Amino acid sequence: NAGVTQTPKFRVLKTGQSMTLLCAQDMNHEYMYWYRQDPGMGLRLIHYSVGEGTTAKGEVPDGYNVSRLKKQNFLLGLESAAPSQTSVYFCASTRTGGKETQYFGPGTRLLVL
Amino acid sequence: GEDVEQSLFLSVREGDSSVINCTYTDSSSTYLYWYKQEPGAGLQLLTYIFSNMDMKQDQRLTVLLNKKDKHLSLRIADTQTGDSAIYFCAENTNDYKLSFGAGTTVTVRA
Repeated sequence: NAGVTQTPKFRVLKTGQSMTLLCAQDMNHEYMYWYRQDPGMGLRLIHYSVGEGTTAKGEVPDGYNVSRLKKQNFLLGLESAAPSQTSVYFCASTRTGGKETQYFGPGTRLLVL
Repeated sequence: GEDVEQSLFLSVREGDSSVINCTYTDSSSTYLYWYKQEPGAGLQLLTYIFSNMDMKQDQRLTVLLNKKDKHLSLRIADTQTGDSAIYFCAENTNDYKLSFGAGTTVTVRA
């Protein structure tokens, strides 16, 4: 099993550009999450999904959109990138929800100029 | 997250014990977790404790939970250079969500 993988590993964007981050998991997990990690602030939940075809907002959803068309994939989109979105983005998945261990991907470093 | 607080830095000598402290706010949390993040990597679950337990030991790791004070600690015995990492405390705030602290950067010096 590859676990949770993220694509790309690193990206530089100009302000106003768009991009999509891909998260894939091969563990048949129902729940998937997107977090951003900023220095001194820990992980903040952007969006999450409790199953294929469903998504919901987390703590910091503004400026991001997500889709879960297939159970194994969770996409995070930035329609018009801003410097404030410079961060490290982590995807995670879990079998049934908050009480279960979350498995994390290796992260995507995004720099918005 | 603002509901979980940790000190940001800890420096410890190799071979000594490390103690990382955490306070949380949600008294209804069922599980509390410790995650480890090595440089350039994602978070990896180290250990967790169920809220009706006071202590859990797993090899070099000891977790202590004081539910009255909402205080969680992680003790690493015989700290090694490979233990240098960021350690995150987390609580499950409801059925779908974990709330993370800001992380404690542990530096092990020779």
